Amino acid sequence: EAGVAQSPRYKIIEKRQSVAFWCNPISGHATLYWYQQILGQGPKLLIQFQNNGVVDDSQLPKDRFSAERLKGVDSTLKIQPAKLEDSAVYLCASSLVGGGYTFGSGTRLTVV
Amino acid sequence: GEDVEQSLFLSVREGDSSVINCTYTDSSSTYLYWYKQEPGAGLQLLTYIFSNMDMKQDQRLTVLLNKKDKHLSLRIADTQTGDSAIYFCAERIGGYNKLIFGAGTRLAVHP
Repeated sequence: EAGVAQSPRYKIIEKRQSVAFWCNPISGHATLYWYQQILGQGPKLLIQFQNNGVVDDSQLPKDRFSAERLKGVDSTLKIQPAKLEDSAVYLCASSLVGGGYTFGSGTRLTVV
Repeated sequence: GEDVEQSLFLSVREGDSSVINCTYTDSSSTYLYWYKQEPGAGLQLLTYIFSNMDMKQDQRLTVLLNKKDKHLSLRIADTQTGDSAIYFCAERIGGYNKLIFGAGTRLAVHP
């Protein structure tokens, strides 16, 4: 079975610019997660979708971050405008409802 | 509250056993996990334990869970240089399958 696909693999932008990340989960996985992993820290949940509905976005900085999962499959995470402290690896994961996670390889964002 | 704590660094000699410890705060955890992350790579699930179990063994890996003390440990027998990585403890909480991660323990294996 194909894994969780993420793109791009790396991105460098200047502060105040915008950026978008894409995630394609494992086929049939209803639940999709976006995690932010800052260097030296563990991953932190930003947003969780079940099908195309949001079930947890309590840690998403909504003034600059947005995410959508149209049609309950692919998802995009956007940052606008980016700040230096947004430099991190953004990990997408998917699971069956209540099942174990499969993580993608992540997108490493550097904001300069 | 939701908090998972780990020691940040562990150094062991090749062939010895490694023990990585973790404490968590949420008593409603259903599953607890150990993930491995190598440099530049994603998170690889190593093993997990259901919250009503005390121990789980999987080849070189042994997981011990003390639910009363909210303490989880991962023992790696016969540690090899390929085991050098960051190990994350995570607890699964809530009805929506949320994972809370610790900050990770960097395991260094030396000859």
